[in-house]
Amino acid sequence: KQEVTQIPAALSVPEGENLVLNCSFTDSAIYNLQWFRQDPGKGLTSLLLIQSSQREQTSGRLNASLDKSSGRSTLYIAASQPGDSATYLCAVLDYQLIWGAGTKLIIKP
Amino acid sequence: DGGITQSPKYLFRKEGQNVTLSCEQNLNHDAMYWYRQDPGQGLRLIYYSQIVNDFQKGDIAEGYSVSREKKESFPLTVTSAQKNPTAFYLCASTSTGENIQYFGAGTRLSVL
Repeated sequence: KQEVTQIPAALSVPEGENLVLNCSFTDSAIYNLQWFRQDPGKGLTSLLLIQSSQREQTSGRLNASLDKSSGRSTLYIAASQPGDSATYLCAVLDYQLIWGAGTKLIIKP
Repeated sequence: DGGITQSPKYLFRKEGQNVTLSCEQNLNHDAMYWYRQDPGQGLRLIYYSQIVNDFQKGDIAEGYSVSREKKESFPLTVTSAQKNPTAFYLCASTSTGENIQYFGAGTRLSVL
């Protein structure tokens, strides 16, 4: 059974730092992996989608990588800003979407 | 604008009461999903529907019911049999052959 783990559960860094969020999954037979952002009391915003045949995707200050053989994905955020504060979720798609528990990110001004 | 609309944003349930959460989409998507999120946990699938008049149980369907009479609508009823309904509920939809799910803003359900 596919399991998705996100470490750390919470992270607090000063504004301007580059940071990495981690996501690991147990079964490499996935169709894709997505990174989402959730703001308190709000729904989810899709950030990046990496297909199983891809190694990375970039959008602005965000870069997501995928290593299926090791069951890992990372979300790299460059030059962090207070507006980046949110919970970041990763999810893998095999026969259904399997979610990690998220990393709560706080960027201190 | 195209999207998914969930209502209400906040909902309170009295003990023994059934409540229904609304989910409407104008994206012409075939598949719709209901998820539940508890603090510190990932999303868990309650029910999903790949096509009108058909739906399947997810991982935690007990105490919930759904209907899919129209392509645009996938309401979720939280029944009195659901003993711990307090959670954040998210509705999603996806188009056939597309791997991205689009989400509504969610409904926060609390028990009085």
